[in-house]
Amino acid sequence: DIQLTQSPSSLSASVGDRVTITCQASQDIRNYLNWYQQRPGKAPKLLIYDASSLQMGVPSRFSGGGSGTHFTFTISSLQPEDIATYYCQHYDNLPLTFGGGTKVQIK
Amino acid sequence: VQLVQSGVEVKKPGASVKVSCKASGYTFTNFGITWVRQAPGQGLEWMGWISADNGDTDYAQQLQGRVTMTTDTSTNTAYMELRSLRFDDTALYYCARVAVVGTSAVDPWGQGTLVTVSS
Repeated sequence: DIQLTQSPSSLSASVGDRVTITCQASQDIRNYLNWYQQRPGKAPKLLIYDASSLQMGVPSRFSGGGSGTHFTFTISSLQPEDIATYYCQHYDNLPLTFGGGTKVQIK
Repeated sequence: VQLVQSGVEVKKPGASVKVSCKASGYTFTNFGITWVRQAPGQGLEWMGWISADNGDTDYAQQLQGRVTMTTDTSTNTAYMELRSLRFDDTALYYCARVAVVGTSAVDPWGQGTLVTVSS
């Protein structure tokens, strides 16, 4: 199974800060990576698919990049409503797996 | 597009549970349904996927033999049945619709169904 390692596992930043999360795959997954946001007590929501494509309706301050084994997810200007846990997920082969999550908090 | 799941379930070890996921706002057979679960305070675990068009399924290896995913196209409803429940099956179970065909990206998600396994 492909393992996805997210870092950091949690972070605290100020409103307006640029925040970057990384997701490292245990083998080459091309660009077959999605990013999800899960606000406290809510179901996850798709933000980015195919590593860098922004899902319809998602604010442009969210972006993704990378390919192969190293991926990044960036919030260009952190907003209070971005408090959430963010998960990467690959779909290169079965089983699909998620990273362990990154909890983002406001400083 | 909306997915509405069935309510809270409390089951004893060894029992079965069947969670429903009613879809609306789109042509049901055009998109597959994925099931994901989340144990209390833990991350997300992919359980499997079903094509709402032809019923093809893929299941997570660790659930093979205990899980069955089905759809009813007459009511636009997907079902996930988990058998021989164990304490570590206690989790919030989500259904989600494939958002972008060919990517396995899913959105939106149902509201989740809490399944508690307790003696």
